[in-house]
Amino acid sequence: GAVVSQHPSRVICKSGTSVKIECRSLDFQATTMFWYRQFPKQSLMLMATSNEGSKATYEQGVEKDKFLINHASLTLSTLTVTSAHPEDSSFYICSARGPGDADTQYFGPGTRLTVL
Amino acid sequence: GQNIDQPTEMTATEGAIVQINCTYQTSGFNGLFWYQQHAGEAPTFLSYNVLDGLEEKGRFSSFLSRSKGYSYLLLKELQMKDSASYLCAVTDSNYQLIWGAGTKLIIKP
Repeated sequence: GAVVSQHPSRVICKSGTSVKIECRSLDFQATTMFWYRQFPKQSLMLMATSNEGSKATYEQGVEKDKFLINHASLTLSTLTVTSAHPEDSSFYICSARGPGDADTQYFGPGTRLTVL
Repeated sequence: GQNIDQPTEMTATEGAIVQINCTYQTSGFNGLFWYQQHAGEAPTFLSYNVLDGLEEKGRFSSFLSRSKGYSYLLLKELQMKDSASYLCAVTDSNYQLIWGAGTKLIIKP
């Protein structure tokens, strides 16, 4: 089946530093990837839609200069949280639109970011 | 390896009841989520089970048996708007989410 990985699985950083999270589709090409944020026992909040070779589309209220997204290849999208602050601490999850069925998304295992 | 199984697709009739099963084999267990996802939208949280038993929330109920590695989502009084994909996800010992592939539920009048 289609597998999506994320790296790192967890990261702790100091306030003011930048953190990069990678999302990879391991056995399929994904022209579209999605980045979500999850708060405990809450719905996934879509942050942005990432299309290979073009600029990401950000949801309302998400700062594009703070959450930099790069989708440089068909199997890799990265999310960089710049100048991270404690309020950015969250669980970040990516998904990739699967091969074949455009309605199917395959989700990564998530990255837990803690900003001290 | 870690694995979550749920049916690919199910069909049910408006007004009826449907049960979507999810079985899992994971490295540790720290809870099981059910999400609903309509096409083109972000998944919506439905339920979270960490203890054995049934959790009821309106028309939706979720059941967990940790010893059997099994959960189900029960939807009653089905409405056309319940047509969506239903995702089962387990949090493992490292608090990573292991996702099922989702069950596409089709509701017919």
